[in-house]
Amino acid sequence: AQRVTQPEKLLSVFKGAPVELKCNYSYSGSPELFWYVQYSRQRLQLLLRHISRESIKGFTADLNKGETSFHLKKPFAQEEDSAMYYCALRADSSYKLIFGSGTRLLVRP
Amino acid sequence: NAGVTQTPKFQVLKTGQSMTLQCAQDMNHNSMYWYRQDPGMGLRLIYYSASEGTTDKGEVPNGYNVSRLNKREFSLRLESAAPSQTSVYFCACQGNNSPLHFGNGTRLTVT
Repeated sequence: AQRVTQPEKLLSVFKGAPVELKCNYSYSGSPELFWYVQYSRQRLQLLLRHISRESIKGFTADLNKGETSFHLKKPFAQEEDSAMYYCALRADSSYKLIFGSGTRLLVRP
Repeated sequence: NAGVTQTPKFQVLKTGQSMTLQCAQDMNHNSMYWYRQDPGMGLRLIYYSASEGTTDKGEVPNGYNVSRLNKREFSLRLESAAPSQTSVYFCACQGNNSPLHFGNGTRLTVT
């Protein structure tokens, strides 16, 4: 069965500090991985997907198949990064997107 | 272009009451989804519809039914609401090779 694990419910950092939100998955095939973000009072939206290999708002994430991880990183956190972050997985040839339990990032001034 | 529209935004039900959550999309996407969001549980898939005329169970379908009325609309029905169904419900749609687009959510409280 596919599963996405985000071990941290809350991550609190100071502005300017590096951030790493952890995501591990279990799936034996070739997954497609995503990070979604939900800012306060806004709808969930896509932040980035691993196949794009791009940096969005300074965030990057690399798929590590050996460690089955897709951690989200940013070298210098900003207060506006405070939000709820969800890691998600889609198994190949599937319409379903499986989400992790989410990590709330709090960036303090 | 509203994207994904959910109604109502808020609802309070008593145990045993029924209601239907409405979702409509104007993005011409084939796939539509219903998720529930609970603290510490993240988003869990209730039902999804890969295309008009088809529906499939997700992770937590018990206590819910869905209808894919047409390509635009995908409704979620609670026949007999229970306190365990207190949650925030999100509808989403998806086109080919595109990410999920979410609605603003419906906050449901069952007393």
